[in-house]
Amino acid sequence: KNEVEQSPQNLTAQEGEFITINCSYSVGISALHWLQQHPGGGIVSLFMLSSGKKKHGRLIATINIQEKHSSLHITASHPRDSAVYICAVRHYSGGGADGLTFGKGTHLIIQP
Amino acid sequence: NAGVMQNPRHLVRRRGQEARLRCSPMKGHSHVYWYRQLPEEGLKFMVYLQKENIIDESGMPKERFSAEFPKEGPSILRIQQVVRGDSAAYFCASSASGGVTEAFFGQGTRLTVV
Repeated sequence: KNEVEQSPQNLTAQEGEFITINCSYSVGISALHWLQQHPGGGIVSLFMLSSGKKKHGRLIATINIQEKHSSLHITASHPRDSAVYICAVRHYSGGGADGLTFGKGTHLIIQP
Repeated sequence: NAGVMQNPRHLVRRRGQEARLRCSPMKGHSHVYWYRQLPEEGLKFMVYLQKENIIDESGMPKERFSAEFPKEGPSILRIQQVVRGDSAAYFCASSASGGVTEAFFGQGTRLTVV
């Protein structure tokens, strides 16, 4: 069973700060997703990555397969970035279908 | 191209009633996943379906819960004889194929059992 651990669980920062959210997992995976969920809202997929680094606007996601670790960075944070950020992994399946295994999320609040 | 559509967005049921949650995948997607998010907990996988087939239901409770994805129409998650513990947000995701592909999520259905 793959465990997905996120840190920190809660993060409050000031507008403009550089934000880092971490995700560690325990067994080999085929892909890792970073998701964003606003309060009472739906879930938006930010990144899917299996190696290296991806960038989209002010968001950067990195993954280190050997260390089983991924980070999500937000540069020049803004109050609208306030949300829950969820790490999810897709582990190798034995031929059957697989769903995602999720971390519990990081609650991010960016104060003006 | 509309995204993944779930309805209703909010559903209130009394204990013992049935709840039906619908998910229409993105156009061209034939793979549907259902997830449950309990209050203060992370998302948990429930079931994976392709058209007319249940591929993996390892996350589904053994009783009262069922899912289908018919040839025509949306995927349905059905919960019979609901109990207070079923109160949660239920999310559906779809993808064009299984495996390592982007999955697109719906807005979720928030079920409240009173």
